[in-house]
Amino acid sequence: QKEVEQDPGPLSVPEGAIVSLNCTYSNSAFQYFMWYRQYSRKGPELLMYTYSSGNKEDGRFTAQVDKSSKYISLFIRDSQPSDSATYLCGGSEKLVFGKGMKLTVNP
Amino acid sequence: DAGVTQSPTHLIKTRGQQVTLRCSPKSGHDTVSWYQQALGQGPQFIFQYYEEEERQRGNFPDRFSGHQFPNYSSELNVNALLLGDSALYLCASSLYRGLRNEKLFFGSGTQLSVL
Repeated sequence: QKEVEQDPGPLSVPEGAIVSLNCTYSNSAFQYFMWYRQYSRKGPELLMYTYSSGNKEDGRFTAQVDKSSKYISLFIRDSQPSDSATYLCGGSEKLVFGKGMKLTVNP
Repeated sequence: DAGVTQSPTHLIKTRGQQVTLRCSPKSGHDTVSWYQQALGQGPQFIFQYYEEEERQRGNFPDRFSGHQFPNYSSELNVNALLLGDSALYLCASSLYRGLRNEKLFFGSGTQLSVL
C-alpha cells in the first residue's frame, strides 16, 4: 500500500466552480502535509503546507487535514482556467507524493 | 535570485550506460532532494542530502547514488541504465528542518530517455 493515495482523475470543471481534491494516507506518523501544483513540463510549486489537523486558508485555497480518518483535502474557490494543472498531495516527513490529480477549468 | 537549476534539461542514453545529473539549489538552501517522475505519475522520492550526507532514501536500488558538495549543489548518478529509468528527474531544495521537510522548491527537471 502506498503511503499517500490520490485519485488521479482527470477532473474537469467550469470556471468559477468550487473544486475539491482529496487524498488519503496510511502512515500514522505523518503530521506535516503538503500540496503542490504542477503545470505541464514544469517542476511542482508549493501551494500549501499544513501541520496536523484542521484547516489552513490562503486566498482561494483551503487545505484541510482530518487525522482521525487519515484524509487530506484541498479546496479551490472561484476556480480559474489558470488553475488547470496537476495537483499533488504529500506527506512531508517521508517526502512522498500521491499520483497527482489532473484538473482542467473550462472558461 | 536564481531558483533551483538543473542540468542538462534533456539527455538520451543507451541501456547499460551511466548518467550524472546536476542540481544547484536555491540561494540560501542547504538541502537537496531528488525525485523520479514517470509520465502520468507523481514524483517518487529517491533520496535527500544535507551536510554532504544522505539523510533519507526512498525505495530505489543502489544503482541510484548521489553526492552533495560543500556549496550545497548535488549530483544524481544512475548506473547500468534500464529502459524503465526513462523519466523526468526533479531536484528540490529546502532549508533543513529535520523530518518536517518544509517548503521544497523544485527545478524544472532533467528529461532522461533510455533507448
